Amino acid sequence: ETGVTQTPRHLVMGMTNKKSLKCEQHLGHNAMYWYKQSAKKPLELMFVYNFKEQTENNSVPSRFSPECPNSSHLFLHLHTLQPEDSALYLCASSQSGGRSTDTQYFGPGTRLTVL
Amino acid sequence: EDQVTQSPEALRLQEGESSSLNCSYTVSGLRGLFWYRQDPGKGPEFLFTLYSAGEEKEKERLKATLTKKESFLHITAPKPEDSATYLCAVHTNAGKSTFGDGTTLTVKP
Repeated sequence: ETGVTQTPRHLVMGMTNKKSLKCEQHLGHNAMYWYKQSAKKPLELMFVYNFKEQTENNSVPSRFSPECPNSSHLFLHLHTLQPEDSALYLCASSQSGGRSTDTQYFGPGTRLTVL
Repeated sequence: EDQVTQSPEALRLQEGESSSLNCSYTVSGLRGLFWYRQDPGKGPEFLFTLYSAGEEKEKERLKATLTKKESFLHITAPKPEDSATYLCAVHTNAGKSTFGDGTTLTVKP
């Protein structure tokens, strides 16, 4: 595996379900990101982890819970979602996060549909 | 508030017909401007980073330029495989990143 991988690629869930999205980067980077991409809207940064520590949370509802056990893995735990949470969820990584301008490398995304 | 505006929203070109995409920005302290390409059902793919006004970068048929207010992505003699959505993003001195809505380019053979 190379680059940034995400699983599952597609997910359909009910509003009462609990599911998790997984991201893994094989680039030796230290920063990882979750983005939300909705139709007709720009990418929205959700969370940033730098060296496993959360450095940014852009006012994301608590029904989205990130977890970063190490610099290579990032999870997004989902519970009690709303239909408007349906979107493409993208994971990205970069050499370092925070105030740097390191290039971010994106995974293919998970297409989430909430019924 | 940081703002990034891309235009046009959609662009249809004939193969070989050169054109430009625009990314206008208003930010408090630009650290870098990024261009990405995104194909349907895939994540954005990095193209260029520009750091200061006057800087230019090229890759195959693409050339990115930067001024203090905007960036252009020039496409010379495009081919159908250049069809994609092109995203612009700015990173600020405060460590924030803001993406534009993107320009969807379609190149007809």
